[in-house]
Amino acid sequence: AQKITQTQPGMFVQEKEAVTLDCTYDTSDQSYGLFWYKQPSSGEMIFLIYQGSYDEQNATEGRYSLNFQKARKSANLVISASQLGDSAMYFCAMRDFYNQGGKLIFGQGTELSVKP
Amino acid sequence: GAGVSQSPRYKVAKRGQDVALRCDPISGHVSLFWYQQALGQGPEFLTYFQNEAQLDKSGLPSDRFFAERPEGSVSTLKIQRTQQEDSAVYLCASSLDPSGRAGANVLTFGAGSRLTVL
Repeated sequence: AQKITQTQPGMFVQEKEAVTLDCTYDTSDQSYGLFWYKQPSSGEMIFLIYQGSYDEQNATEGRYSLNFQKARKSANLVISASQLGDSAMYFCAMRDFYNQGGKLIFGQGTELSVKP
Repeated sequence: GAGVSQSPRYKVAKRGQDVALRCDPISGHVSLFWYQQALGQGPEFLTYFQNEAQLDKSGLPSDRFFAERPEGSVSTLKIQRTQQEDSAVYLCASSLDPSGRAGANVLTFGAGSRLTVL
């Protein structure tokens, strides 16, 4: 069975600094996708970044990058130049490519607080 | 619509009441998902529709939970005889096409319906 583990319940970072949010996963599948979502206090889940298991390069989207280490089964999110608006819950998720419908399995989340 | 719309945003029910939560996905999105998110936890999968067909309901916690999407667009999640443990945020998400690459199949979420059972 697939499983996502986020070991940091809460993180603090100073504004303008970089922060890494940890995510490890467990799957027996060879083809899968990894996602990060942001959930501000308003409640809506916002898609940030995606990494496919066969992608050779780490994904980047603006200030977000995904440090993908397949052998270690880790997919850490790096946020550069943190902003106050980055304060939110962050969820790592994965999906099996061949699972019909492609449901996402989520981790427990990390609450990020950006200090001014 | 421009995004996934859920209603009501907040619902308070007395234990034993039935509730219905509505999800209006992005127009043209084939797939629709329901998730349950308890306070301080990650979302847990409930059920999945491809058009009007419910292809996976493995996450529904009991037979008190029922979901439908009769015309392949709007979906309703119904909870019968609500219990206190049903208190959670219920998130709906839609995606364009399950047959494409996973990278093209991003789930877009609504803001959720917060259910409180007294």
